[in-house]
Amino acid sequence: DGGITQSPKYLFRKEGQNVTLSCEQNLNHDAMYWYRQDPGQGLRLIYYSQIVNDFQKGDIAEGYSVSREKKESFPLTVTSAQKNPTAFYLCASRLVGLNEQFFGPGTRLTVL
Amino acid sequence: GQQVMQIPQYQHVQEGEDFTTYCNSSTTLSNIQWYKQRPGGHPVFLIQLVKSGEVKKQKRLTFQFGEAKKNSSLHITATQTTDVGTYFCAGNVPGSSNTGKLIFGQGTTLQVKP
Repeated sequence: DGGITQSPKYLFRKEGQNVTLSCEQNLNHDAMYWYRQDPGQGLRLIYYSQIVNDFQKGDIAEGYSVSREKKESFPLTVTSAQKNPTAFYLCASRLVGLNEQFFGPGTRLTVL
Repeated sequence: GQQVMQIPQYQHVQEGEDFTTYCNSSTTLSNIQWYKQRPGGHPVFLIQLVKSGEVKKQKRLTFQFGEAKKNSSLHITATQTTDVGTYFCAGNVPGSSNTGKLIFGQGTTLQVKP
């Protein structure tokens, strides 16, 4: 059963702690993306990666970091430097050559 | 910077009424995509339009891409409660097809009263 998985669905952390959100896909897609969604706003791009061991900053990369050591995995770390980390985080992937993006179920992060 | 504005932000309709959401880009787009996000869910791809003036239909949904490739609309005929959700438009600017970077509109949240 192919798709994108994100875990956990809900995540709570104390202020000042780093937290890593997982994203795994078995669609054999080369490109992967991380978005942040806030109420009443569209999706804003945090980071993206087109191939293994390479990634680029999106529009709101400050306070976040990523790695792409495997094609299937693109974890996002929300660092303590992110001033307003509470949000819904969505991971997506795309087959290079097509424009359609496939989204995971998302992780809702709450920083207390 | 490049922006895609989407209106209205919210729309409440009675079941059976029609619904339209509009997207306007500050720059010419190479394509426009539409996604639907159900409450508590994630965005799901609906369709892509590429050609100037293109119109596509999916059952009760009609999608249009403007002649200048800067605006788009989604029209739902005779809404049903299953249409509830947030509809996003998203576009690639010319030259971004390699990266796949999309510019998303803010979304229109549709509520349907049975």
